[in-house]
Amino acid sequence: NFMLTQPHSVSESPGKTVTISCTGSSGSIASNYVRWYQQRPGSAPTTVIYEDNQRPSGVPDRFSGSIDSSSNSASLTISGLKTEDEADYYCQSYDSHNHWVFGGGTKLTVL
Amino acid sequence: EVQLVESGGNLVQPGGSLRLSCAASGFTFSSYEMNWVRQAPGKGLEWVSYISSSGNTIYYADSVKGRFTISRDNAKNSLYLQMNSLRAEDTAVYYCTTIYGSGRFDPWGQGTLVTVSS
Repeated sequence: NFMLTQPHSVSESPGKTVTISCTGSSGSIASNYVRWYQQRPGSAPTTVIYEDNQRPSGVPDRFSGSIDSSSNSASLTISGLKTEDEADYYCQSYDSHNHWVFGGGTKLTVL
Repeated sequence: EVQLVESGGNLVQPGGSLRLSCAASGFTFSSYEMNWVRQAPGKGLEWVSYISSSGNTIYYADSVKGRFTISRDNAKNSLYLQMNSLRAEDTAVYYCTTIYGSGRFDPWGQGTLVTVSS
């Protein structure tokens, strides 16, 4: 089964830049769009990146997404970190068996 | 305002059944594909089931196939999840979500908690 692997946690200081990776287990991660969701404690997830690198309206341009086919991975980069960015982040894609797949999630700590 | 409101979560014994509902408002529900996604306490997100806008196409995660049934009533702007043969590992917050645009899950409801325990 297709899986997406994320680091369990990352931490960085305010104002810095952090990148969260999401690696596909098989096939080409570029074959289907990757989305990224932010989930703050006690809240439902919200979309921060869709179609690999697009931001919904209202999401600041400090958030960006990319695909690296050579490593079969997607990345979420957050620049100019703010304490409000502290949350869990999940990547998501679609496999060949009509299943949606989420990565295990990455806890971002801004300290 | 686009809104999804889940209900029906409860404490149920292993082997029991429960039916979740999701009431949609603020958009043309009958035009949108829908999903259920769950999150076990302290764990990550897990996709559970998908239903097309007409209800004619349905998919399930392997972990719930044969036990859960997704359905919708477009006249009532409602999505449902019938859960049978519940197990302890089904304990989670269950979210309903709309598929928007090219496939992103947006928006999400606030979730409803299902606890399977004796």
